[in-house]
Amino acid sequence: QVQLVQSGAEVKKPGASVKVSCKASGYTFTSYYMHWVRQAPGQGLEWMGIINPSGGSTSYAQKFQGRVTMTRDTSTSTVYMELSSLRSEDTAVYYCARDVRGYYLNYYYYYMDVWGKGTTVTVSS
Amino acid sequence: SSELTQDPAVSVALGQTVRITCQGDSLRSYYASWYQQKPGQAPVLVIYGKNNRPSGIPDRFSGSSSGNTASLTITGAQAEDEADYYCNSRDSSGNLQVFGGGTKLTVL
Repeated sequence: QVQLVQSGAEVKKPGASVKVSCKASGYTFTSYYMHWVRQAPGQGLEWMGIINPSGGSTSYAQKFQGRVTMTRDTSTSTVYMELSSLRSEDTAVYYCARDVRGYYLNYYYYYMDVWGKGTTVTVSS
Repeated sequence: SSELTQDPAVSVALGQTVRITCQGDSLRSYYASWYQQKPGQAPVLVIYGKNNRPSGIPDRFSGSSSGNTASLTITGAQAEDEADYYCNSRDSSGNLQVFGGGTKLTVL
C-alpha cells in the first residue's frame, strides 16, 4: 500500500536549520509530485511548496522563498524539506503529502491523496 | 490572509445536513479538494475533483461547486464527523496551492 514515512521529531535553536525526510513506498516515486504542508499549534494548514521527484523542480510559497529547500533522492524514494533561519514561529508539525492532478469538464484539479503522519519541529532557545 | 475563505465554525444537530463553504476567485477555474482533520491526526482527503470520494469515505460526504464557491455537504452528520475541515485549491496565479483557513464542525 502507498505509504509516506516521515523522520522523527526535532528540537532546534533559533537560527538553526532543520531537515525533515519523507520516504515513499508502494508506488512509482517519480510519477507523483510531493507537497510539504505545515501546521502550527492551534492553527490551520499552511502549504509550503512542492517538488517533482522526477526532475527535482520545485515551487515554493512566497512566504518561505529563500528559507526553504526541497530535494529528493530517487535511489531511496525520499524527499526532504530543509528550513533555515528557524524562529519560534516555525514550531509546527510538518507533513508531506502526495500530489494527484487531472483535468475534467474544463476544470483542473489537484489534491493530496496520501499524507505522512507528520514531524514535529520545535524551535526553542 | 488566505485566498480561500472558510467560515471558522459551523455546528449541526446529529443526523442533520450541514454545508461547509469555501470561497475564492481561483475556484472559477479549479476544483477544490476537502480534508478532514481530527485532533492529533494527519489530514484525510474526503472529496476531490467535481464530486469524488476516496475509498473508505462514507457517501454522506459530497462536494459541489458554483462560481467562486466550493461546498462540502455532510448529509446525516454523525458524531464522528466532528472535526476541522479544510479546502485546498490553486491560488489566484494558478501556479501554487493554498488552503482555506479551516472550519471547525461541531455535531450537537
